[in-house]
Amino acid sequence: DQQVKQNSPSLSVQEGRISILNCDYTNSMFDYFLWYKKYPAEGPTFLISISSIKDKNEDGRFTVFLNKSAKHLSLHIVPSQPGDSAVYFCAANPGGTSYGKLTFGQGTILTVHP
Amino acid sequence: SQTIHQWPATLVQPVGSPLSLECTVEGTSNPNLYWYRQAAGRGLQLLFYSVGIGQISSEVPQNLSASRPQDRQFILSSKKLLLSDSGFYLCAWSGLAPLQQFFGPGTRLTVL
Repeated sequence: DQQVKQNSPSLSVQEGRISILNCDYTNSMFDYFLWYKKYPAEGPTFLISISSIKDKNEDGRFTVFLNKSAKHLSLHIVPSQPGDSAVYFCAANPGGTSYGKLTFGQGTILTVHP
Repeated sequence: SQTIHQWPATLVQPVGSPLSLECTVEGTSNPNLYWYRQAAGRGLQLLFYSVGIGQISSEVPQNLSASRPQDRQFILSSKKLLLSDSGFYLCAWSGLAPLQQFFGPGTRLTVL
């Protein structure tokens, strides 16, 4: 049972345009969400996060939006750069634990063309 | 600074053979440690976590086991591999902020 889903396996964007990566979840107990970026032959690295008490969090070119009623979050990258080409994972945490219990999506491969 | 190491990077093993994957963390003390697996077409699935030496919790029933013999060492093992154990295995650690996890480079395991 995939509690976190990234339904687009891949996304192709032109340099300078906006990249929008989407993520849906089913567990209403999730209260903290994260995005990780992964380059080939490397482990995922933390990118940005958002708490369920917010609906938007911004960090430079990266903005995460959370729509709790729709159980949907998205990552916007503006402007996209070729170095952003990577696999992006969304992850969610139900809270109430002392350790990091993260549930990940399948990942979306982003390709930014020069 | 903190670093996390995993080895080997790739591994091809026959069905029924044993497995030992090692993960070590440098530059931090008493980290939370995690083993994840990504099977084909799936997200990263948490297999085990550890909050201290000898303390292992399993998230899903399976053919694998984990051990933490030292504070910064985490080992994933199996006595007899199955085809379904194939996948990409990632070790991660976290500190005071448990949700901000730092991942190793991973091991690609193929069971034939």
